[in-house]
Amino acid sequence: KAGVTQTPRYLIKTRGQQVTLSCSPISGHRSVSWYQQTPGQGLQFLFEYFSETQRNKGNFPGRFSGRQFSNSRSEMNVSTLELGDSALYLCASSLGGLAGGISRNEQFFGPGTRLTVL
Amino acid sequence: GENVEQHPSTLSVQEGDSAVIKCTYSDSASNYFPWYKQELGKRPQLIIDIRSNVGEKKDQRIAVTLNKTAKHFSLHITETQPEDSAVYFCAAYSGGYQKVTFGTGTKLQVIP
Repeated sequence: KAGVTQTPRYLIKTRGQQVTLSCSPISGHRSVSWYQQTPGQGLQFLFEYFSETQRNKGNFPGRFSGRQFSNSRSEMNVSTLELGDSALYLCASSLGGLAGGISRNEQFFGPGTRLTVL
Repeated sequence: GENVEQHPSTLSVQEGDSAVIKCTYSDSASNYFPWYKQELGKRPQLIIDIRSNVGEKKDQRIAVTLNKTAKHFSLHITETQPEDSAVYFCAAYSGGYQKVTFGTGTKLQVIP
């Protein structure tokens, strides 16, 4: 089975621009989560999508948005980029839902997209 | 919301010694606690996890213990090897939709 893939792997943008990142989950996984990773802040949860619906949201401004398509692929958009948005953006997929009353939330991470804002 | 504190932030051990990383959480309803290992320049990888109905889980040299009363869980690595050097993250899941909160990470250095 192919792992989680993310495109592009590297991006350089300037302040004020917008960017769209893509994540393809493992086949059969219906949940996709997005994280921002910076050296000083660790892993910060952005949001999670399950079956095309946003289920959970972290504490990020409205400039950060996302969506999920019917094939479970997900995109994340950041508008009006700021210097502080420079980070590694990771997505992770999991089966989601329940099996025997137990949440299927074991996550598998993609390689990330390194975003640099100049 | 949930708050997860992770200690220590850095840990150096001699090869062959044990390493222990501890996380505390605030939401008593949290029910799933994974640990991730992230080597330099690589993606985080799940190494072990535990659910709230279990007190301890082992996988070869790695073990995780959970104390629900005190609301803390710990990662134990025995007989450490240089390849164990990495950043380790704990996480806690809570709520009906299983929202995740990560700890701030522990940089483990195993000295040969």
